[in-house]
Amino acid sequence: GAVVSQHPSRVICKSGTSVKIECRSLDFQATTMFWYRQFPKQSLMLMATSNEGSKATYEQGVEKDKFLINHASLTLSTLTVTSAHPEDSSFYICSAGVGFNEQFFGPGTRLTVL
Amino acid sequence: AQTVTQSQPEMSVQEAETVTLSCTYDTSESDYYLFWYKQPPSRQMILVIRQEAYKQQNATENRFSVNFQKAAKSFSLKISDSQLGDAAMYFCAYRSLIQGAQKLVFGQGTRLTINP
Repeated sequence: GAVVSQHPSRVICKSGTSVKIECRSLDFQATTMFWYRQFPKQSLMLMATSNEGSKATYEQGVEKDKFLINHASLTLSTLTVTSAHPEDSSFYICSAGVGFNEQFFGPGTRLTVL
Repeated sequence: AQTVTQSQPEMSVQEAETVTLSCTYDTSESDYYLFWYKQPPSRQMILVIRQEAYKQQNATENRFSVNFQKAAKSFSLKISDSQLGDAAMYFCAYRSLIQGAQKLVFGQGTRLTINP
């Protein structure tokens, strides 16, 4: 299957700083990328959907000014958590897809905000 | 909006036995996709099986099969000959075929334990 990478896999930052997470489709071009958040022992909650070259569509309750998403190319999407606070600590997962085909998931990024 | 419900937070099974994980969903659409994903301790999401709603035949992938009951909006996963490596969180998911609505809607998950 297609491979999606995320970087970094783990990040620890101080409260008030910004953190950028990259999601890359390594061997295919993704027209759509999705960003999820997963709290411990809970399901994946979709944060936003991004299409290459256009603005991301955020789910209800997700602050678009806090979670900045850039899908600059068909192989790269970034999620920037701005002015991170301890409550933003979570596991962030991206997925990438082409049209209605299968979505391929990245390995996730664990964010810890001190 | 579509919803997906997994009513079994935890399940356990003896190695080599068969276990069935339940999933129900709610939608007004007539065509869609349903999925079962596995999330092992590594947290990497792995596609287990996929079912297109327009297909009456239940999907099968080796030891994994589904019982898709469209009228009842039920989509259960059967794991035969359970192996220790099957231990994981299992998520049922729904995806619309409507343009611009390809997002996955996940259930709450079922933690499966395999007893040796």
